[in-house]
Amino acid sequence: DTAVSQTPKYLVTQMGNDKSIKCEQNLGHDTMYWYKQDSKKFLKIMFSYNNKELIINETVPNRFSPKSPDKAHLNLHINSLELGDSAVYFCASSRQGSNQPQHFGDGTRLSIL
Amino acid sequence: EDQVTQSPEALRLQEGESSSLNCSYTVSGLRGLFWYRQDPGKGPEFLFTLYSAGEEKEKERLKATLTKKESFLHITAPKPEDSATYLCAVPSSGSARQLTFGSGTQLTVLP
Repeated sequence: DTAVSQTPKYLVTQMGNDKSIKCEQNLGHDTMYWYKQDSKKFLKIMFSYNNKELIINETVPNRFSPKSPDKAHLNLHINSLELGDSAVYFCASSRQGSNQPQHFGDGTRLSIL
Repeated sequence: EDQVTQSPEALRLQEGESSSLNCSYTVSGLRGLFWYRQDPGKGPEFLFTLYSAGEEKEKERLKATLTKKESFLHITAPKPEDSATYLCAVPSSGSARQLTFGSGTQLTVLP
């Protein structure tokens, strides 16, 4: 069973388009996250979310928005895609608490033409 | 500002040649340190959590240790299948739920 799954694995689209990436976890975790990994493999948090609170990294453009239909899902919507948005996006989940390890999906590689 | 620095950036070992990876951190009030392994095209895979200085954790050929300023990931008699990027991360002091990651050490073990 896949613990954290993301779709699609690859996403190729043109500048200016709007796209979504879906994430689902079957671990029963309370908190979900979105990370961006750049070309230098550096992982940077974008959002963390549980059913009570959304924490947004202040450097994330407001073109990016997380949407959670329920506790097991956290989707990422991106409006007006730009060339600089090309990266690998990872979803993760964890139990509530700062000392809980996060478990990651296998990423979505977004390429903007 | 929280900082996590890993060294070396890349490490090439012969099979069986033991070595250590370093993760130094600057964070206000450490609430744990995590080690992950990342294979190409995959997400980070959780390895260990260390909570306090002096703590050690082991898994197969890997052993993680923690001091007040840094953590080491010791690899004993590595095999080619240990080749991967190893990442360490700490919970951010500003937000308890966000992790600050280091840039990783890319380990290559040659047969």
